[in-house]
Amino acid sequence: NAGVTQTPKFRILKIGQSMTLQCAQDMNHNYMYWYRQDPGMGLKLIYYSVGAGITDKGEVPNGYNVSRSTTEDFPLRLELAAPSQTSVYFCASAVGTGGIQYFGAGTRLSVL
Amino acid sequence: TQLLEQSPQFLSIQEGENLTVYCNSSSVFSSLQWYRQEPGEGPVLLVTVVTGGEVKKLKRLTFQFGDARKDSSLHITAAQPGDTGLYLCAAYGGATNKLIFGTGTLLAVQP
Repeated sequence: NAGVTQTPKFRILKIGQSMTLQCAQDMNHNYMYWYRQDPGMGLKLIYYSVGAGITDKGEVPNGYNVSRSTTEDFPLRLELAAPSQTSVYFCASAVGTGGIQYFGAGTRLSVL
Repeated sequence: TQLLEQSPQFLSIQEGENLTVYCNSSSVFSSLQWYRQEPGEGPVLLVTVVTGGEVKKLKRLTFQFGDARKDSSLHITAAQPGDTGLYLCAAYGGATNKLIFGTGTLLAVQP
């Protein structure tokens, strides 16, 4: 049972580099989310999607971009990495709004 | 901005002790969720409470939703080292009705 799969698990970037965090789910969920979590804190919503082709900003979208070309995949793009983007990134999916969210294991990103 | 404040932020206890974690807000929520997050993993849902005054039990964990649906508590009886983790409350709210997470309570249970 794969659920929500995130890759890579760890990454170190230099300031100004770009990368894409991958997220895939095999539960046929329409709703997908990207969160960031700073040490010992709760999660903050970066972007979300309610279905293929539809995305919208969350609480902290600056410095990030997303796309949703298929139901299964929801990649998160960092164009010009900054030290403030050092965090752990979690992807989640849900059947619909108000329901249970299923989380991936996270991507730990350091920007130096 | 709707906030969910959790207390305490950190808790270190000995195996066998009891503890209570609180989640408070000035806003009313239709439901509230509790998650546990173990090191290196994503949060996993423990329970959803939906009715004011509701009490749910999950083995040694007891969850309560306040009568006014603004607060909730999680009580753990006879804590075990396996209970160690970050406990997060969360509720749907805000203009876009997205899941808002609390500030978290980091629990360490020493053997």
